[in-house]
Amino acid sequence: AQKITQTQPGMFVQEKEAVTLDCTYDTSDPSYGLFWYKQPSSGEMIFLIYQGSYDQQNATEGRYSLNFQKARKSANLVISASQLGDSAMYFCAMRVTGTASKLTFGTGTRLQVTL
Amino acid sequence: SAVISQKPSRDICQRGTSLTIQCQVDSQVTMMFWYRQQPGQSLTLIATANQGSEATYESGFVIDKFPISRPNLTFSTLTVSNMSPEDSSIYLCSVYEGTEAFFGQGTRLTVV
Repeated sequence: AQKITQTQPGMFVQEKEAVTLDCTYDTSDPSYGLFWYKQPSSGEMIFLIYQGSYDQQNATEGRYSLNFQKARKSANLVISASQLGDSAMYFCAMRVTGTASKLTFGTGTRLQVTL
Repeated sequence: SAVISQKPSRDICQRGTSLTIQCQVDSQVTMMFWYRQQPGQSLTLIATANQGSEATYESGFVIDKFPISRPNLTFSTLTVSNMSPEDSSIYLCSVYEGTEAFFGQGTRLTVV
């Protein structure tokens, strides 16, 4: 079975600073994908970034980067130059490649960006 | 990225009634997924909807409570039947485009 662990229920960061949101995962399958989503108070799930288990380089998308450490089974999200609009819930998720294809989510981290 | 239109965006319903949520995708997809997010919780998969076959339900979810239709490759509906206050949640549909998974805007359901 797959499992995602996010140990930070809440985080604070000052505007313009960088912040790292932690995510560890557990799977015995060698082929998988890791996702990060942002959920503002409106409830929609906004896709941020994706990392495949065989990708050689860490994924980056604008101010978002994924610090992928395969041996440690961690996939931390780094947000650079935080903005007030980054305040939201952030979820880490995993998909094991195959017929199941469902996403397994962590419990989320609530990020608050302050002035 | 895939554009997913989900409606209604929110609703307040009386207990014992049913609500049907619609999900429209701008491209053809093999599988569509329905998730539930109870207040303050993470997302849990309800079922996977494949066109032309019965939906596959996860443990704890049954077809009588959450019937799903998938009439074509761009559309699906989820019905929440005989609602109780415990069904108050955000319901989201999701599809894959390549390796990436995208979600609709969500339906915020409150049962009173």
